[in-house]
Amino acid sequence: GAVVSQHPSRVICKSGTSVKIECRSLDFQATTMFWYRQFPKQSLMLMATSNEGSKATYEQGVEKDKFLINHASLTLSTLTVTSAHPEDSSFYICSAGRLAASYEQYFGPGTRLTVT
Amino acid sequence: AQKVTQAQTEISVVEKEDVTLDCVYETRDTTYYLFWYKQPPSGELVFLIRRNSFDEQNEISGRYSWNFQKSTSSFNFTITASQVVDSAVYFCALSGGLQGGSEKLVFGKGTKLTVNP
Repeated sequence: GAVVSQHPSRVICKSGTSVKIECRSLDFQATTMFWYRQFPKQSLMLMATSNEGSKATYEQGVEKDKFLINHASLTLSTLTVTSAHPEDSSFYICSAGRLAASYEQYFGPGTRLTVT
Repeated sequence: AQKVTQAQTEISVVEKEDVTLDCVYETRDTTYYLFWYKQPPSGELVFLIRRNSFDEQNEISGRYSWNFQKSTSSFNFTITASQVVDSAVYFCALSGGLQGGSEKLVFGKGTKLTVNP
């Protein structure tokens, strides 16, 4: 099946710094990618929809200036957490959708961010 | 608005027991897609099934089976003869159907299944 990768898988950063997470679709082109956040023992909550070549669409309550999303190509979307704080510590998961007759949304393995 | 409810927060069973995970959904879309994912402790989501709103046939895949009933807006998941390796958090999710299911997913809160030896 199709594969979506994320890098890094785990990152620890200091409060106030920025961290970039990459999401790549390895064997298909994804015009749309989604970024989810999952706090410990909670469900996945959609943060934003990343559209190739245009601005991301953010869910209510998600600060677009804090969570910068860039979808520069059909196989890469990046999420940058700017001026990270400990409360941003979470599991970030991306997914990519491929429009096809037998559609399936593919999830990346996730990135665990810890802000100290 | 779309909503997915997984009323069972945690379930604990003994190996070889059958277990059913409940999922109830709400949507105004006439075309939509339902999903089940497994999330083991590693965190990576494992796709189990996708079902579109026009296909109410129940599905069986090995020890897994799914019961989709539009009349009760439910999409329940049964594991037969559970095994320790089935221990994980299971999420039910819903998406609109305008793009063949490629829209954003709305997840339930998940059910943590523990299968004890």
